[in-house]
Amino acid sequence: NAGVTQTPKFQVLKTGQSMTLQCAQDMNHNSMYWYRQDPGMGLRLIYYSASEGTTDKGEVPNGYNVSRLNKREFSLRLESAAPSQTSVYFCASSETRTVQYFGPGTRLTVT
Amino acid sequence: ILNVEQSPQSLHVQEGDSTNFTCSFPSSNFYALHWYRWETAKSPEALFVMTLNGDEKKKGRISATLNTKEGYSYLYIKGSQPEDSATYLCALIQGAQKLVFGQGTRLTINP
Repeated sequence: NAGVTQTPKFQVLKTGQSMTLQCAQDMNHNSMYWYRQDPGMGLRLIYYSASEGTTDKGEVPNGYNVSRLNKREFSLRLESAAPSQTSVYFCASSETRTVQYFGPGTRLTVT
Repeated sequence: ILNVEQSPQSLHVQEGDSTNFTCSFPSSNFYALHWYRWETAKSPEALFVMTLNGDEKKKGRISATLNTKEGYSYLYIKGSQPEDSATYLCALIQGAQKLVFGQGTRLTINP
């Protein structure tokens, strides 16, 4: 089992460009999450999906959209990237209220 | 948004010494607390899920206790080794699915 996979691992964008971060899990988990990690800020939840077909905002949703494509896949889209979105993005999955399993992260730089 | 506080923010310990650090959280409406270990350039990995007041969990030289009435959890490391160097995160479940993370305690073990 690969666990949680994320693509790409690194990305550089110019301000105003758009991109989609992909996440997939092979553990048959119902819940999936997107976090961003910034120095001194810990992990902050952007969006989550409690089950296939549902998505909800987390702590810092502005500037992002998500799609729960199916049970396995949960994508994060930046429609118009801004320098403030420079961060490391982690996807995670879990069963209801159990430990979360994290992907390897995507390091995004917006210039 | 729940406020989950971890202290200290960073800690330097000599190899072989034991250490502990704290996670504080609002004591009302408690459901569960998670501890994660996060090594540099890797993804967070779950250590413990704690749900009951008075819970004590142990994994090798690492253990944790939980006091839900006063709103804190301690993580202990006995006989620190260089491989224990990592950031230790605690996270509280909010609502049905969301984890709210503390900022972490960054532990460095000096040989």
